[in-house]
Amino acid sequence: EAQVTQNPRYLITVTGKKLTVTCSQNMNHEYMSWYRQDPGLGLRQIYYSMNVEVTDKGDVPEGYKVSRKEKRNFPLILESPSPNQTSLYFCASSLTSTSNYGYTFGSGTRLTVV
Amino acid sequence: KNEVEQSPQNLTAQEGEFITINCSYSVGISALHWLQQHPGGGIVSLFMLSSGKKKHGRLIATINIQEKHSSLHITASHPRDSAVYICAVKSYGGSQGNLIFGKGTKLSVKP
Repeated sequence: EAQVTQNPRYLITVTGKKLTVTCSQNMNHEYMSWYRQDPGLGLRQIYYSMNVEVTDKGDVPEGYKVSRKEKRNFPLILESPSPNQTSLYFCASSLTSTSNYGYTFGSGTRLTVV
Repeated sequence: KNEVEQSPQNLTAQEGEFITINCSYSVGISALHWLQQHPGGGIVSLFMLSSGKKKHGRLIATINIQEKHSSLHITASHPRDSAVYICAVKSYGGSQGNLIFGKGTKLSVKP
């Protein structure tokens, strides 16, 4: 089944404790992206990647890191999480960034930083 | 002003009613997407449009590029249609591949 798999689905952590949210797709998509969703603000892009070893900042990159060492994986790293990073996170992928293809979203990761 | 505006923000309907959700945008776009987010949180892509009209089951999506406006219609609505519907556009400018999202329309269909 074609899908984007995010893990974990739920995570409660403490301020400052490094964490990684994994994202993997099995569709050979070039484009992958991370979003956060907050009440009243909608979905906002954190980072995106147009292909292996090519990543760039989105609208709200502060406090996050990403890497794209393989085509299928695009982990989101929070080196020192803070309470304002409590949010619902989505990973998404698309065949390419330049043509009009649909997007496939992961199931989401609900992160709470205390 | 947001680049993508949706209306209404909230919508309550009775089962069987015809529903329309509107999306207006202010940027040049290459495509517009309609997404559905269920109460469990997952996001599903419903339609991608660059012109005209698309239909899938009871859902119809239209776009008017000149007026920078799109509508999502649901015919014979059902309680299982209750969800948040999100409009997103892929703009020509800005970061490549980025989607700009509306804030969503929360639909509740009562039996």
